[in-house]
Amino acid sequence: AQTVTQSQPEMSVQEAETVTLSCTYDTSESDYYLFWYKQPPSRQMILVIRQEAYKQQNATENRFSVNFQKAAKSFSLKISDSQLGDAAMYFCAYRRSRGAQKLVFGQGTRLTINP
Amino acid sequence: EADIYQTPRYLVIGTGKKITLECSQTMGHDKMYWYQQDPGMELHLIHYSYGVNSTEKGDLSSESTVSRIRTEHFPLTLESARPSHTSQYLCASSDNPLEQYFGPGTRLTVT
Repeated sequence: AQTVTQSQPEMSVQEAETVTLSCTYDTSESDYYLFWYKQPPSRQMILVIRQEAYKQQNATENRFSVNFQKAAKSFSLKISDSQLGDAAMYFCAYRRSRGAQKLVFGQGTRLTINP
Repeated sequence: EADIYQTPRYLVIGTGKKITLECSQTMGHDKMYWYQQDPGMELHLIHYSYGVNSTEKGDLSSESTVSRIRTEHFPLTLESARPSHTSQYLCASSDNPLEQYFGPGTRLTVT
């Protein structure tokens, strides 16, 4: 079974600084998808960024980028120029490319932005 | 934000009551999902559906049941609520493997 591990229950960063959230996963599959979702307090979960495992290039979405290390099964999220609106729970998630389209989530990291 | 809705947003109910949590989406997505999330914890899939009249149990065992009679509607039912069912329930839908759209969630408290 696939597992996703986020070893940082909480992180904090000063506004405008850069922060990196860690995620590791375990799978025997060679083709899969990885995601970072953001869950602000009392608001809907939204997709931040995704990575297809067959792509070597790291995904980037504006201030958000990932460091995907397939051999190490590592998928970290870097947030540059942190803003107050970035404060949220961040979940790393995994999905197989074939078969059931079920997401497996990590435990989450609560990110606090200090003004 | 995605067009996926959940009602009620908050529910406090006594033990033994039957409850139905509603989930609707207006995007025409075939695939819909129910996740259970304890406060500050990860999400666990409890049910999913690939289309009308298709439902499967997820990875986390749940006493709840679901139905999918219409594409846009995926309700979750608890026949007899217990305090152990206290949690947040998130509904999601998708039409491709690259993204799932989540509803705002229902926070259920069983007293």
